[in-house]
Amino acid sequence: QVQLQASGPGLVKPSQTLSLTCSVSDGSISGGSYSWTWIRQPAGRGLEWIGHIFPSGITNYHPSLKSRVTISADTSKNQFSLQLTSVTAADTAVYYCARDMRGPRGHTWFDPWGQGTLVTVSS
Amino acid sequence: DIQMTQSPSSLSASVGDRVTITCRASQSIGNYLNWYQYEPGKAPKLLIYAASSLQSGVPLRFSGSGSGTDFTLTISSLQPEDFATYYCQQSYSSPLYTFGLGTKLEI
Repeated sequence: QVQLQASGPGLVKPSQTLSLTCSVSDGSISGGSYSWTWIRQPAGRGLEWIGHIFPSGITNYHPSLKSRVTISADTSKNQFSLQLTSVTAADTAVYYCARDMRGPRGHTWFDPWGQGTLVTVSS
Repeated sequence: DIQMTQSPSSLSASVGDRVTITCRASQSIGNYLNWYQYEPGKAPKLLIYAASSLQSGVPLRFSGSGSGTDFTLTISSLQPEDFATYYCQQSYSSPLYTFGLGTKLEI
């Protein structure tokens, strides 16, 4: 059963770059009808899809974050990563990684998710 | 963006109760609607995909219905482990996915 685990610094200074890695076990990020996704939840707010990467390397990002986000994959380590530049306090959130399953007729859903990691932006 | 509105935002219930949570989309999304369960400190868990398909391993007391703009998640007989927060998510405007704000189910 595929498992995901996000990791990275829990504290980032304003204007710096947030970097997180999602390690995937018992499944390869290189194949299958999946993409690999980052989602976040600021305290007291709803879940927000950040972006995803396909095995081909194609990425899609949320328009509101597109200018600051990069998602990449390292197939040799079976990991994918998130970089968010020029962070502010508004980027403080629990960050989740998840597999984006692709079903029939264009249906997609997130399963499984990793346990979230809290990133606080503060000086 | 497609806005997803869940109601109620919180709900008190007892073990054995039948509970229904509603999710409304700001435009028609067909059956492109998923439901997740979240417990603090754990990874969110997929319950229902494509509005009414039960994810493997999820108890049969969970069911989903609806299409277009109105959807429901029903728990037929609440168990102690069901007290959690539930989120709906639309995948119609893939990849610009959006979630509801959640419904917290409390004892």
